[in-house]
Amino acid sequence: DTGVSQDPRHKITKRGQNVTFRCDPISEHNRLYWYRQTLGQGPEFLTYFQNEAQLEKSRLLSDRFSAERPKGSFSTLEIQRTEQGDSAMYLCASSPRGTGTGYEQYFGPGTRLTVT
Amino acid sequence: DAKTTQPPSMDCAEGRAANLPCNHSTISGNEYVYWYRQIHSQGPQYIIHGLKNNETNEMASLIITEDRKSSTLILPHATLRDTAVYYCIVRKDMDSNYQLIWGAGTKLIIKP
Repeated sequence: DTGVSQDPRHKITKRGQNVTFRCDPISEHNRLYWYRQTLGQGPEFLTYFQNEAQLEKSRLLSDRFSAERPKGSFSTLEIQRTEQGDSAMYLCASSPRGTGTGYEQYFGPGTRLTVT
Repeated sequence: DAKTTQPPSMDCAEGRAANLPCNHSTISGNEYVYWYRQIHSQGPQYIIHGLKNNETNEMASLIITEDRKSSTLILPHATLRDTAVYYCIVRKDMDSNYQLIWGAGTKLIIKP
């Protein structure tokens, strides 16, 4: 399978715990994005990487959130001291270098987080 | 970026053409129209995009009005697997951060 993969697919955690999600983009895609989606809403942008550089962060990404993309390959999104409001689907997407307009993004299946 | 307006829901019979409208009356000259869809419990899927001319690919056709204030996504022969939420998004070409800004979309239900 050459698509975007995310791990885990589901995560249940207790309030106050830390969680980490992983995204493996399509190989050779240099751009990687994280979005968050709550029930009935469209995805909300969280952050964007070009290679290993984090170039944009939404103000939705509070101090409890951190994302990395070491070596410009896979990415991790960590949430510290989780709150019930963090319950959502976390989506990762990637897009290729230099082709099209940059908005043809390929999404993974998402990680559904439930904070109890 | 221009705001888009879509109907919250639509029905279409299986085998018929599904026509999904989108209004973007404040679109500017360098903004593209993108369509994505999201099948239940899956990540969004890119469908098609266009600037001025009509576009067609293996999934759908995109018709943009001459004044570019609205567009229609056409699924020529809808199947049950096309049941999904369809999002119309307007973005400038090669903007600095490439983030997609999503509305609530249109929930399309294909009926047998």
